[in-house]
Amino acid sequence: QKEVEQNSGPLSVPEGAIASLNCTYSDRGSQSFFWYRQYSGKSPELIMFIYSNGDKEDGRFTAQLNKASQYVSLLIRDSQPSDSATYLCAAYMDTGRRALTFGSGTRLQVQP
Amino acid sequence: DVKVTQSSRYLVKRTGEKVFLECVQDMDHENMFWYRQDPGLGLRLIYFSYDVKMKEKGDIPEGYSVSREKKERFSLILESASTNQTSMYLCASSLSKNYGYTFGSGTRLTVV
Repeated sequence: QKEVEQNSGPLSVPEGAIASLNCTYSDRGSQSFFWYRQYSGKSPELIMFIYSNGDKEDGRFTAQLNKASQYVSLLIRDSQPSDSATYLCAAYMDTGRRALTFGSGTRLQVQP
Repeated sequence: DVKVTQSSRYLVKRTGEKVFLECVQDMDHENMFWYRQDPGLGLRLIYFSYDVKMKEKGDIPEGYSVSREKKERFSLILESASTNQTSMYLCASSLSKNYGYTFGSGTRLTVV
């Protein structure tokens, strides 16, 4: 079982809609969670992080964390074609290897 | 902005060659990481370092070694390149262990 799981997609949404990207993790010791965006041929860039249960909003992005269900999500409101990219979820544990574990990513396509 | 610079964007090497991938960060970060990224497999951790002259193995260290003689520089060494090491190599740094990482632009290595 992979430690951080994401649906590979593609997830296709129309422009202006809400895109919902989901991630589950297997280790209950995971403490911090990160969402990265990666455009084709580029390196990942950090867009959101969340440490506590609940929602965290930043502009059009909302990260949601539910530690009881071991579930992290990223909502993108008013999706734009420029949001088309692969979104990587990552988790950090302060035990074990003490480095981020990444999911394989979900490819998002926003249709104009 | 934190800059993480990888010395080469594209490299082509022959099987059996010793290959050096260089990474330099300019923000005095303690922590540095090497990942490789392959389609369908996501980012996999090769080695990381939390201090000068310190290194820890990640998930796939076989066939690789690292060097961190100075805080700002973290080098990945392929002792004897093989075709299954053809990949995108990503270097990252972070201020703290559970902070988000800043990635370099990546080195696409092809071993022929």
